[in-house]
Amino acid sequence: SYELTQPPSVSVSPGQTARITCSGDALPKKYVYWYQQKSGQAPVLVIYEDSIRPSGIPGRFSGSSSGTMATLTISGAQVEDEGDYYCFSTDTSDNHRVFGGGTRLSVL
Amino acid sequence: QVQLQESGPGLVKPSQTLSLSCTVSGGSISSGSYSGRYFWTWIRQPAGKGLEWIGRSYISGSTDYNPSLKNRVTISVNTSKNQFSLKLTSVTAADTAVYYCATEVVPAANQYGAFDFWGRGTMVTVSS
Repeated sequence: SYELTQPPSVSVSPGQTARITCSGDALPKKYVYWYQQKSGQAPVLVIYEDSIRPSGIPGRFSGSSSGTMATLTISGAQVEDEGDYYCFSTDTSDNHRVFGGGTRLSVL
Repeated sequence: QVQLQESGPGLVKPSQTLSLSCTVSGGSISSGSYSGRYFWTWIRQPAGKGLEWIGRSYISGSTDYNPSLKNRVTISVNTSKNQFSLKLTSVTAADTAVYYCATEVVPAANQYGAFDFWGRGTMVTVSS
């Protein structure tokens, strides 16, 4: 099987920069997608193909990928950014498509 | 804008088959968009835990499944009802979760894409 590894939690103060990482062996060759999930709600796409922000997502969200690690960066995090963040990708053969374990972001 | 709504029993007995449907509105299940083809997808989330990709179906009938569930899962598309469905056989308590249907939008040059549209999710409990 294939695994994507995320830190369980990240905590920042409002206005600070939050960085959430996602590591996986196939990331040098495969895109990463990032989803935000607030309590009791369905996930929402915030970054696709490593670094592209969908329309309607605030500019403070950005993504990057280098080697076996992808990073979601929230510059100037707001209280409303609190929630769980999941990365999603696939192994090199596209046989195992997986979410990372999720990172809970606290902004307080 | 595609909208999705899950439906189905909220309680399933162990060893039985879990069956859910997802109704698509705001567009035809047979079409894609300017940004790519639509793959009709199921994702689940046990309470307090992370997301798990179950599988997807294309309008052609082509499917991809999570290898850990492959022997028990079937995803199919019903164009006449503008719905797609999930069947999961031989369920156990470990299959208790919120089940989401979603639309994966896959650009022409890619094998996979982003889950752009999601249903609100439906809770399914496996218990006798």
